[in-house]
Amino acid sequence: GENVEQHPSTLSVQEGDSAVIKCTYSDSASNYFPWYKQELGKRPQLIIDIRSNVGEKKDQRIAVTLNKTAKHFSLHITETQPEDSAVYFCAAINSGGSNYKLTFGKGTLLTVNP
Amino acid sequence: GAGVSQSPSNKVTEKGKDVELRCDPISGHTALYWYRQSLGQGLEFLIYFQGNSAPDKSGLPSDRFSAERTGGSVSTLTIQRTQQEDSAVYLCASSFKPTGEQYFGPGTRLTVT
Repeated sequence: GENVEQHPSTLSVQEGDSAVIKCTYSDSASNYFPWYKQELGKRPQLIIDIRSNVGEKKDQRIAVTLNKTAKHFSLHITETQPEDSAVYFCAAINSGGSNYKLTFGKGTLLTVNP
Repeated sequence: GAGVSQSPSNKVTEKGKDVELRCDPISGHTALYWYRQSLGQGLEFLIYFQGNSAPDKSGLPSDRFSAERTGGSVSTLTIQRTQQEDSAVYLCASSFKPTGEQYFGPGTRLTVT
C-alpha cells in the first residue's frame, strides 16, 4: 500500500519568512495530493491540492510543487503570519484505482513567531 | 449548508464496554471516511464507504472495530470491549466523490478509563 513520509515534524519560523514542508510517497500510481491544515482543537481543512498532471499550483501565499519522477511534493508558504501556525498534513491517493484510501503523512507542527 | 456532524462530541467509557460513534455526512456526499487521531499524532485511516459499501476495511485495528452505513447517509463506528489504547479522537469525513475534497466533522473524543 501507499506510504507517505513527511518532514520536518516541527518547524518554527519568524513572521514574514517562508516555510517549506516536504512529503514523499511510495506508490507511483498515486495522482492526487491534498494538503490539510489543522489548527489546535479544530478539524482538518483542505488548503490546497495538486493532481499529477501539473507540476505546481499556487493560491495566494500558498503553493504546492510535485515531482512525479522523484515521488515527492512540497508545500510552500510565503510571508508567514501567526495565523498560519497549525499542524499541516500532506496526503496521497490513487484516484484511478478502486481503493480510495487517502494516506496521510504524520503532520508538521508549524509555529510562526511574531 | 450543514457540515459534517458527529455525536457524541465526548465519550468517557469504562474499559470493556462497547461504544457507538455516529457520523452525519454532508447531504449528497457519497463517500464517507473514518479516521483516528491520537494525541499529537497524524490521521490514521480506519475505513471508507462508497454509498453503503466498504470496499476497504484494512484500516480497522482489530475485530473489535466495526462500521456500517445505511441509506447512503449516516454511519456508525462501533468499538466493542474497549481498551485504553482506543482512547483517541475519532474523525469522520465525507466527500462528494472519492477523490474530492474531504470535509471533516468535529470529531468524537473517546476516553477509555
